[in-house]
Amino acid sequence: AQSVTQPDARVTVSEGASLQLRCKYSSSVTPYLFWYVQYPRQGLQLLLKYYSGDPVVQGVNGFEAEFSKSNSSFHLRKASVHWSDSAVYFCAVSRGWSGGSNYKLTFGKGTLLTVTP
Amino acid sequence: ETAVFQTPNYHVTQVGNEVSFNCKQTLGHDTMYWYKQDSKKLLKIMFSYNNKQLIVNETVPRRFSPQSSDKAHLNLRIKSVEPEDSAVYLCASSLDWGQNTLYFGAGTRLSVL
Repeated sequence: AQSVTQPDARVTVSEGASLQLRCKYSSSVTPYLFWYVQYPRQGLQLLLKYYSGDPVVQGVNGFEAEFSKSNSSFHLRKASVHWSDSAVYFCAVSRGWSGGSNYKLTFGKGTLLTVTP
Repeated sequence: ETAVFQTPNYHVTQVGNEVSFNCKQTLGHDTMYWYKQDSKKLLKIMFSYNNKQLIVNETVPRRFSPQSSDKAHLNLRIKSVEPEDSAVYLCASSLDWGQNTLYFGAGTRLSVL
């Protein structure tokens, strides 16, 4: 079984400030981890993903995330947010490669990010 | 750039009516999905098709039925809608069954009065 917890339902930051959105996962096997973003009235878009290797992964638009096996975490970070980053951010986990477990992509409940001027 | 197209964008209907939603992807992917997103943004997988074959059918009421004419199209029919069906229905695709990167459409927002 696998699960994802995003402990912060809402986060508000000022434009130009740094950002961290938290994600904790639970998985019985080596997980694949993802961050997706959903802008208003749009579908989800992939920001970044982690399969293995360097625990810090770079994504689009200056986002990065760090995988920590010891903490079972995959937090999303950005050094300086822009108002256009306001959106809902979803962390997701799936089982490691086992030839067909893609449908077990489990999403967290999402964090609504609001960037204020 | 949008490559997963959903129609309609919105649909308002009354309890007991039948509705159909369409989804088309132009990415050449083999696998397509329907997700339900409720008012709290919670996402739940409903169905998954791989090359026109149903491979995942989560616990979904029988009034929901997916249909796939080819691997680029995946439709969703709801036979007799209930108030709890009000949600955003998101279609997604992935390269194949083993791929975890999903590409989503913009969704169809259903309101059941």
